[in-house]
Amino acid sequence: GNSVTQMEGPVTLSEEAFLTINCTYTATGYPSLFWYVQYPGEGLQLLLKATKADDKGSNKGFEATYRKETTSFHLEKGSVQVSDSAVYFCALSGGTGGFKTIFGAGTRLFVKA
Amino acid sequence: EAQVTQNPRYLITVTGKKLTVTCSQNMNHEYMSWYRQDPGLGLRQIYYSMNVEVTDKGDVPEGYKVSRKEKRNFPLILESPSPNQTSLYFCASSLVWTGGGETQYFGPGTRLLVL
Repeated sequence: GNSVTQMEGPVTLSEEAFLTINCTYTATGYPSLFWYVQYPGEGLQLLLKATKADDKGSNKGFEATYRKETTSFHLEKGSVQVSDSAVYFCALSGGTGGFKTIFGAGTRLFVKA
Repeated sequence: EAQVTQNPRYLITVTGKKLTVTCSQNMNHEYMSWYRQDPGLGLRQIYYSMNVEVTDKGDVPEGYKVSRKEKRNFPLILESPSPNQTSLYFCASSLVWTGGGETQYFGPGTRLLVL
């Protein structure tokens, strides 16, 4: 079945550092890929998404490119801020997985001032 | 304000005592879903609903029931809760399901402790 694997956290960075959070997936068909973010005490909210191969999703300085050849959707940001401290989830849905959504385990990011 | 609401936000109960967690959305969304979040496991889908009276199992449906009698509501029912259902639960909704690319909007979560 479909699955999503994220790098384990926590990830601790200093403000203005470069961020990469790795995400790889296993799926048949053509799923859509997502990054959701969860701030402390809140529900998840969409950060960005890509619905087909080679699409790049971007939002608030974050980017991720749907790479079918490497089955990856790595999240990047050039310069993190303290306010980016949160848990980040990679997810996929659609394709031959039908109407289900599969989430990765989440990666907690701490950004120090 | 467009939102997904859940009640209660926190609940402590005992093994075997039936409970219901309510979920309501005011965005006229067709698709709704329940997830549980556990440390190291991320979110796992319990049940989802494509529309009124249409529901199906996610990856971890055992011990849970749902119903979708109205478009806006999607309650999660635990008929006989057990300690392994202690978790953080999220309800989510999206406008329609047209292949998987739709954004899901999440509620604030319900933290459940089963003693």
